[in-house]
Amino acid sequence: DAKTTQPPSMDCAEGRAANLPCNHSTISGNEYVYWYRQIHSQGPQYIIHGLKNNETNEMASLIITEDRKSSTLILPHATLRDTAVYYCIVRVISGYSTLTFGKGTMLLVSP
Amino acid sequence: KAGVTQTPRYLIKTRGQQVTLSCSPISGHRSVSWYQQTPGQGLQFLFEYFSETQRNKGNFPGRFSGRQFSNSRSEMNVSTLELGDSALYLCASSLETSNEQFFGPGTRLTVL
Repeated sequence: DAKTTQPPSMDCAEGRAANLPCNHSTISGNEYVYWYRQIHSQGPQYIIHGLKNNETNEMASLIITEDRKSSTLILPHATLRDTAVYYCIVRVISGYSTLTFGKGTMLLVSP
Repeated sequence: KAGVTQTPRYLIKTRGQQVTLSCSPISGHRSVSWYQQTPGQGLQFLFEYFSETQRNKGNFPGRFSGRQFSNSRSEMNVSTLELGDSALYLCASSLETSNEQFFGPGTRLTVL
């Protein structure tokens, strides 16, 4: 699976949009971009995934650049409960479910 | 639908002992994966089971083993515990080739 690069930490004011970047310049054509988050002392939680089109669900939006070398996870109205470590992962959807986690971005949402 | 459950939630062992951790996946999920999380190494993949067969394995020594039962429940075993095995052990389940893995709350293992 391709390697990803994320900033180690970011801050966001409550109610504002949180934009979390991820660089995956070596991504292959059949690799998807996944985002998970881990709130302190809990297991990781799936957020969203995409291949090349922008995606949106009830939790977040995923914007993937046209060359697919980077992406941005957008939390439109961050709340204190969104404080967590956010992991960007690229992987092929295959018979294996293996996720390769990097160090992620620690997002701190403040009042 | 109940989530992934892991037992026990906390465990304290001493060096040289062995430990068995249990994971019950979401009903209907046949894939179970195990991960180790430590402050130094982060989240690392241990192994994955599907229909009672190990189909993928991470880079861990043979002291780490696992199995899956016919009801998809899974156990992992660590023998001859070392101080460095202290970690949060996470289990995740998913449908076959699913986009999404569901994680349990983890078992916090402390080795003294």
